[in-house]
Amino acid sequence: DTAVSQTPKYLVTQMGNDKSIKCEQNLGHDTMYWYKQDSKKFLKIMFSYNNKELIINETVPNRFSPKSPDKAHLNLHINSLELGDSAVYFCASSQKRRYQETQYFGPGTRLLVL
Amino acid sequence: AQTVTQSQPEMSVQEAETVTLSCTYDTSESDYYLFWYKQPPSRQMILVIRQEAYKQQNATENRFSVNFQKAAKSFSLKISDSQLGDAAMYFCAYGLGETSGSRLTFGEGTQLTVNP
Repeated sequence: DTAVSQTPKYLVTQMGNDKSIKCEQNLGHDTMYWYKQDSKKFLKIMFSYNNKELIINETVPNRFSPKSPDKAHLNLHINSLELGDSAVYFCASSQKRRYQETQYFGPGTRLLVL
Repeated sequence: AQTVTQSQPEMSVQEAETVTLSCTYDTSESDYYLFWYKQPPSRQMILVIRQEAYKQQNATENRFSVNFQKAAKSFSLKISDSQLGDAAMYFCAYGLGETSGSRLTFGEGTQLTVNP
């Protein structure tokens, strides 16, 4: 059983298009994240939601809009895609505790903008 | 801001040998957590080991162990009896002990090759 799943796994699209990536976790966690891994494999946090509330919003263009319909889902919508958006996007989840919780990652979505 | 540095972009090891991957970090916090994640060619991010800063004892998970030096802000990963399946990119990560939404700050990664 997949713990954190993402769809699609691959996404190839043209510049200027709008696309969405979906994430679902069946771990019962209450916190979900989006990370971006660039071409040099550097991973950086983009957003985090706790119980459907946005709690981390890094310096990300407004073209990126996360949405969390419930605790188990966190989607990422990207408007007006640009070449620089090409990357691997990872969803992760964790359970908020008093101390740092371990984050579990999805398989990633490779986005290629042409 | 916290930073994580992995000074070895690439490492190689012979099968069955031991290898150590280095990681240093910078923080002014006292309550934090450190992780090693592995990313094989499949791209999946897999947790290898985690260390709580308040614990003096070094974490171990089977063939994987860490050398956590809090004063030196160093967190190295030792892989014993290396196996071909250990070949992957390894990321060191730092997490603050916040009560909500603790982001992970990652190092640049070390690509580990295991030679048969």
